[in-house]
Amino acid sequence: AQRVTQPEKLLSVFKGAPVELKCNYSYSGSPELFWYVQYSRQRLQLLLRHISRESIKGFTADLNKGETSFHLKKPFAQEEDSAMYYCALKGTSYDKVIFGPGTSLSVIP
Amino acid sequence: DAGVTQSPTHLIKTRGQQVTLRCSPKSGHDTVSWYQQALGQGPQFIFQYYEEEERQRGNFPDRFSGHQFPNYSSELNVNALLLGDSALYLCASSPDRTRNIQYFGAGTRLSVL
Repeated sequence: AQRVTQPEKLLSVFKGAPVELKCNYSYSGSPELFWYVQYSRQRLQLLLRHISRESIKGFTADLNKGETSFHLKKPFAQEEDSAMYYCALKGTSYDKVIFGPGTSLSVIP
Repeated sequence: DAGVTQSPTHLIKTRGQQVTLRCSPKSGHDTVSWYQQALGQGPQFIFQYYEEEERQRGNFPDRFSGHQFPNYSSELNVNALLLGDSALYLCASSPDRTRNIQYFGAGTRLSVL
């Protein structure tokens, strides 16, 4: 069954510290993985996806097929990174998107 | 472009009633997906509409139904409301079914009393 897990419901880090938001998935194939972010009082928006292999707002995420993980990383956290982060998975192009439960990131000044 | 718009913003209903939520996709987008987001959880896929037909469906009962109009706007209908239907309902649009980037609306907060 397709599933996305995010083991941390809450994560607090100090400003300037590295941050890693964990995401694991189960899927019998080659899915496309995404990170979505929701800032306070804003709508859910795409942060990045693994096929783009890009860095957005200093965040990167590497797909590890062996460990079925897609952890989100940033070397130096900023206060404006405080938000809710959702990892999501999509199988084939015509598949539905499966979201994880989310991790609330709080960056302490 | 106003992006994805949803109406109403908030809604209060009682058990057993029926509700209709509306969504206008981003300009140029022809695919609309609906999600239910309960408090403290991630969005759960309800269904997707493309070319006025339901193309994909999540694990939701038949009480949840939808429609897509020729202008690509969409409605989500829920019949025989239960207390557990209380949630934020999100609409997302995509340029087409194969494009994996979704743009979300602000959602409709449904409270069932």
